[in-house]
Amino acid sequence: GQQLNQSPQSMFIQEGEDVSMNCTSSSIFNTWLWYKQDPGEGPVLLIALYKAGELTSNGRLTAQFGITRKDSFLNISASIPSDVGIYFCAGQGVSGNTGKLIFGQGTTLQVKP
Amino acid sequence: EPEVTQTPSHQVTQMGQEVILRCVPISNHLYFYWYRQILGQKVEFLVSFYNNEISEKSEIFDDQFSVERPDGSNFTLKIRSTKLEDSAMYFCASQRQGTEAFFGQGTRLTVV
Repeated sequence: GQQLNQSPQSMFIQEGEDVSMNCTSSSIFNTWLWYKQDPGEGPVLLIALYKAGELTSNGRLTAQFGITRKDSFLNISASIPSDVGIYFCAGQGVSGNTGKLIFGQGTTLQVKP
Repeated sequence: EPEVTQTPSHQVTQMGQEVILRCVPISNHLYFYWYRQILGQKVEFLVSFYNNEISEKSEIFDDQFSVERPDGSNFTLKIRSTKLEDSAMYFCASQRQGTEAFFGQGTRLTVV
């Protein structure tokens, strides 16, 4: 089945540093999404990408939809302590932006003040 | 801001018992999903539901699982005879055409 490989698995950084994480797949996806999950909570959408090559920003977050439609990255600039959490990429293969999401394994981010 | 609501937040049940997890999707959404997340692992798709029927299900969603939209507002996941390995966080999500899926806070199911 479809799988997403997300890396790195975990990161421990100093406050103020920039962070980068990425996802790759052997399958093509029509939509890439990045979610953040805090402990005991559901995933919260950060950024959605709909077109190959698309680069989208949301505050300190920037994400890109790879031109091959098989990869995506998320950058967080100038990290702050509240960025702590687990970040998941998710791909959606069905056109029209509906259908199941395939999630990556997650990147656990810890920020040292 | 509208949100997906799940109840209960935590359910403890004995192995072999039936459980029903409840979700109230966002009111104008038409696509509904259940996902689960075993502790420390990734979120996994279980089932999608549209137009009062299952549109897709994963291999996890076997005969022990069923979904229902009984009254036009609730969306439920039933596990008929729970097993220890069913212990996980279960997330409901809803979506309308052209927007992203929104997730509920989850129900933590513990089977003992």
